Amino acid sequence: GENVEQHPSTLSVQEGDSAVIKCTYSDSASNYFPWYKQELGKGPQLIIDIRSNVGEKKDQRIAVTLNKTAKHFSLHITETQPEDSAVYFCAALSGNTPLVFGKGTRLSVIA
Amino acid sequence: DGGITQSPKYLFRKEGQNVTLSCEQNLNHDAMYWYRQDPGQGLRLIYYSQIVNDFQKGDIAEGYSVSREKKESFPLTVTSAQKNPTAFYLCASSPRGGSGRPYEQYFGPGTRLTVT
Repeated sequence: GENVEQHPSTLSVQEGDSAVIKCTYSDSASNYFPWYKQELGKGPQLIIDIRSNVGEKKDQRIAVTLNKTAKHFSLHITETQPEDSAVYFCAALSGNTPLVFGKGTRLSVIA
Repeated sequence: DGGITQSPKYLFRKEGQNVTLSCEQNLNHDAMYWYRQDPGQGLRLIYYSQIVNDFQKGDIAEGYSVSREKKESFPLTVTSAQKNPTAFYLCASSPRGGSGRPYEQYFGPGTRLTVT
């Protein structure tokens, strides 16, 4: 089955700097890659996703890139703000099986 | 106002008691899921259902049970057989096979269960 590895597990950046979180997946049949943001005590919120027929997608300060050959995808957050501090999860979907999640990255943005 | 509701937000139970967590969605989604999250940990799949009256075990189904009698409801029962039931429980749903964007999965606000 699918296996998703996420790095780093923790990340601290200065406000205004960029943050990058990387994930690798094992199943070449995976075709959908969402990213979730989870604030303390709340459920994860879908913030951006990408399909396997697209290499990059942007939404304001966040972007996701996908390299199908290398089987990895990344989340990029530019001009980070304190409210970006949260736990971020990547995931991969293959066929009709449930999403497989990475273990999460705790991002701290220092003002 | 569409979305996924989980109730209650906090739940306390004595060891040895079964407890049922509620999950309701009005998004007309076919698939529903239950996850468990321990402090500082990721999301572990307990059970999922892709259609009414059908469900499958996830990675950590032991000590849990579910039912899917209605499309909008997917209650989770934490039984006394679950050795470490204290955790944050998250319900989610997705269209999966429906029209529009079948892959997008949305989460509820979660229920924090404490068993003493």
